[in-house]
Amino acid sequence: DIQMTQSPSSLSASVGDRVTITCRASQGISNYLAWFQQKPGKAPKSLIYAASSLQSGVPSKFSGSGSGTDFTLTISSLQPEDFATYYCQQYNSYPVTFGQGTKLEIK
Amino acid sequence: QLQLQESGPGLVKPSETLSLTCTVSGGSISSSSYYWGWIRQPPGKGLEWIGSIYYSGSTYYNPSLKSRVTISVDTSKNQFSLKLSSVTAADTAVYYCAIEPPTDGSGNDYWGQGTLVTVSS
Repeated sequence: DIQMTQSPSSLSASVGDRVTITCRASQGISNYLAWFQQKPGKAPKSLIYAASSLQSGVPSKFSGSGSGTDFTLTISSLQPEDFATYYCQQYNSYPVTFGQGTKLEIK
Repeated sequence: QLQLQESGPGLVKPSETLSLTCTVSGGSISSSSYYWGWIRQPPGKGLEWIGSIYYSGSTYYNPSLKSRVTISVDTSKNQFSLKLSSVTAADTAVYYCAIEPPTDGSGNDYWGQGTLVTVSS
């Protein structure tokens, strides 16, 4: 199985900040990586697919980059609605695997 | 615009079989070019992929659950289903259905709202 390791596990930031979350795959996954945002009691919402493609309707303040084993999700100008838990997911090969999550909290 | 909706019992007894169905609306489960998947999330924990199925019946399962999981599809009802046998308290989770990969090729991803299944006597 491909292991996905996110860092940090938690992150405290202020409104207006720019933050970056990283995801590392235990082996190369090309660009078959997605980023999800999840708020309490809600289903995950995909923000990014194919490492850097924005899902429809997702604001451009979310951006993704990377290929192979190292990936990043950057959120610029944090707003209150952005404080949530973020997960990466590899879908290069089965079994599909998720990172452990990064909880983004308000400072 | 696809919509996915999970349904099934919210309470299952230990050692019994958990059964859930995902109903797809807004499109045909057979005409899609993606797989249909199940993901779960224990309370307060992360996401775990369970498995997925193509409309033809081709399946992939998480090796950690493979011995207990069966995913099937009913194209006539536009549904796919999950069965998880010999459940324990560790199987208590919110269960989601979703498309796989997480894009329809046009920048859209589709998930059900999730359904909480509690394993308890």
